[in-house]
Amino acid sequence: DTEVTQTPKHLVMGMTNKKSLKCEQHMGHRAMYWYKQKAKKPPELMFVYSYEKLSINESVPSRFSPECPNSSLLNLHLHALQPEDSALYLCASSQEHGRGHQPQHFGDGTRLSIL
Amino acid sequence: ILNVEQSPQSLHVQEGDSTNFTCSFPSSNFYALHWYRWETAKSPEALFVMTLNGDEKKKGRISATLNTKEGYSYLYIKGSQPEDSATYLCAFDTGRRALTFGSGTRLQVQP
Repeated sequence: DTEVTQTPKHLVMGMTNKKSLKCEQHMGHRAMYWYKQKAKKPPELMFVYSYEKLSINESVPSRFSPECPNSSLLNLHLHALQPEDSALYLCASSQEHGRGHQPQHFGDGTRLSIL
Repeated sequence: ILNVEQSPQSLHVQEGDSTNFTCSFPSSNFYALHWYRWETAKSPEALFVMTLNGDEKKKGRISATLNTKEGYSYLYIKGSQPEDSATYLCAFDTGRRALTFGSGTRLQVQP
């Protein structure tokens, strides 16, 4: 069982819908990440939160809006997405960002399809 | 843009075969090199975090080596089993931003 829980596992939405992806970890990690992974490509970083503050935004379009309500939770709010945004969205956490040579722990991902 | 390459892209072996794959990465700004195993419909699982030139790490039948001067790491699997079938990802870590992943090596072990 993964220690990083993502919900929902699958999501189908229209281009005008608003939805949110959720990620939760209870390992006391202070860094959390969103990645996007298209088929047969490596995961690509979208956002990094460090101590509940956004520290990296990899030029992600504003139709993706991250939120970190507390140290255990990370959300990704979706609005007016495009068909090319269909992908697997992975959440990960680590003890700290950029310190201590720690691995990242991943969730199972949310498979998102935009109609 | 950081260039992290893995080879081969895919590999089919028989149960009991030993195998190895390569990850190449930039030789500058090195902080760590991560290896992950990603089984279908599961989450990527951390195997190793390699930090020092000459590092060798082992976990059961899987081991990895690191050469930071020339920018490569090898992952070895001894006596492959069907449950080893997965995509093996390496990720380059500069310690400043986040991980840059390679495209992975997809391993299929036939019983």
